[in-house]
Amino acid sequence: AQKVTQAQTEISVVEKEDVTLDCVYETRDTTYYLFWYKQPPSGELVFLIRRNSFDEQNEISGRYSWNFQKSTSSFNFTITASQVVDSAVYFCALSELKNNNDMRFGAGTRLTVKP
Amino acid sequence: GAVVSQHPSRVICKSGTSVKIECRSLDFQATTMFWYRQFPKQSLMLMATSNEGSKATYEQGVEKDKFLINHASLTLSTLTVTSAHPEDSSFYICSADRDRSSYNEQFFGPGTRLTVL
Repeated sequence: AQKVTQAQTEISVVEKEDVTLDCVYETRDTTYYLFWYKQPPSGELVFLIRRNSFDEQNEISGRYSWNFQKSTSSFNFTITASQVVDSAVYFCALSELKNNNDMRFGAGTRLTVKP
Repeated sequence: GAVVSQHPSRVICKSGTSVKIECRSLDFQATTMFWYRQFPKQSLMLMATSNEGSKATYEQGVEKDKFLINHASLTLSTLTVTSAHPEDSSFYICSADRDRSSYNEQFFGPGTRLTVL
């Protein structure tokens, strides 16, 4: 069964610091998708990125960047120059093609950015 | 982008009553919808997968007689929590697949916060 591990339960940084959120996954499928979501206090999930298993290129979107490494089964997320508005819970998730696309979430990392 | 709505956004009910939560895909048809539950400070846990016109597939440990799922149309799935108890208090989130041929185009609703007194 697929599994996602986010070892960091909580992270606290001061504004403008860079922060990396770790995500390690397990799957036996060769075709799968990895995701990152942000969940602010309102509860609504905010989609950040989707990456398929055949695309290991790293991606940068503004202050956000993602490092996908199949060799270590990791899909880490870095926020550069963090801001108070980045404070939220961040979830990494995995879905396998063979499992009807259902999504399994990691435990989440609560990020607090202090002014 | 595709929009998924949930109604109600928040509900408080007495123990023993039943509560229905609606999940709608507003601008696309969803063959498959998913229901998740999230307890405070915990992750989202998949409860069931709902396919239009057929019975839902429940995850292990989820009581199908307690959490009734109906997916009667391509734009609506409902979750009914029957005989709710305080331990059912949680944040319920649905998601919808836009197109089965387009994997992982899954869109999440805003969630429904259920409090059972």
